Amino acid sequence: EAGVTQSPTHLIKTRGQQATLRCSPISGHTSVYWYQQALGLGLQFLLWYDEGEERNRGNFPPRFSGRQFPNYSSELNVNALELEDSALYLCASSFKQGANEKLFFGSGTQLSVL
Amino acid sequence: AQSVAQPEDQVNVAEGNPLTVKCTYSVSGNPYLFWYVQYPNRGLQFLLKYITGDNLVKGSYGFEAEFNKSQTSFHLKKPSALVSDSALYFCAVRVSGYSTLTFGKGTMLLVSP
Repeated sequence: EAGVTQSPTHLIKTRGQQATLRCSPISGHTSVYWYQQALGLGLQFLLWYDEGEERNRGNFPPRFSGRQFPNYSSELNVNALELEDSALYLCASSFKQGANEKLFFGSGTQLSVL
Repeated sequence: AQSVAQPEDQVNVAEGNPLTVKCTYSVSGNPYLFWYVQYPNRGLQFLLKYITGDNLVKGSYGFEAEFNKSQTSFHLKKPSALVSDSALYFCAVRVSGYSTLTFGKGTMLLVSP
C-alpha cells in the first residue's frame, strides 16, 4: 500500500512568488493535515482538511491557503513568498478524525525562498 | 489551549545504556499522547500512543513511554540504546477528534558507539 506522497520534493522560489505543494493521502484516508517544520521551531500546524472541508487553521497569515479535492488529495498554496517561509512542509493523513487516530506523514516538500 | 514541552534540545547516550527523552504537556481535559521519530530527510514515523489504561505504553523498535498524570509527563524510554536510534523525536498531544495534534519542538537523540 502506498504511503502519503508529496510533490515536489524540493521547490526553489524567489521572494514574492507563489508556491503550490501537493499531497496524496493513503487510500481510504479522508483527513489531511499540513505542518511547517522550520529550523528550531518544531512542527507548526498549518491546516486540516476533512471530507473536502477546512476543519481548522493554525496561526498563519491568510497567504497560506489550501484545498482538498474530491479524491481527498490536497494542495497547499503560499502566496507572496517571504524568506522566512523557507522550511520543510509536511503533509499527513489519517483514516478519520478520532482523537486516538495516528497520523501518517509524507517525506515533505523542502521549500527554499531566495 | 494545548501545548507540549520537550525541555532538552539534545540527549546524548552511549550505545547499550538506557535512554530517556522527556515530554510534559498541558491540556484542558484528558490527553491523547503520541511519540513520533524523524530520521534525516524523512517524514515522521509513529512510535507509540497513550489513550487510556495502563500508564506504561509499549511501541515500535523497543521503545516505551510512561504516562504520569500528576506530573503531566509522558517520557519516552528504551532499556538499551542503539546507534540506529539516533534521530529527532517529537512528542505530541490532542484532546479530542476535533482538536489538532500539537507537537513539541523535538529532541535530537545521539547514540554514540
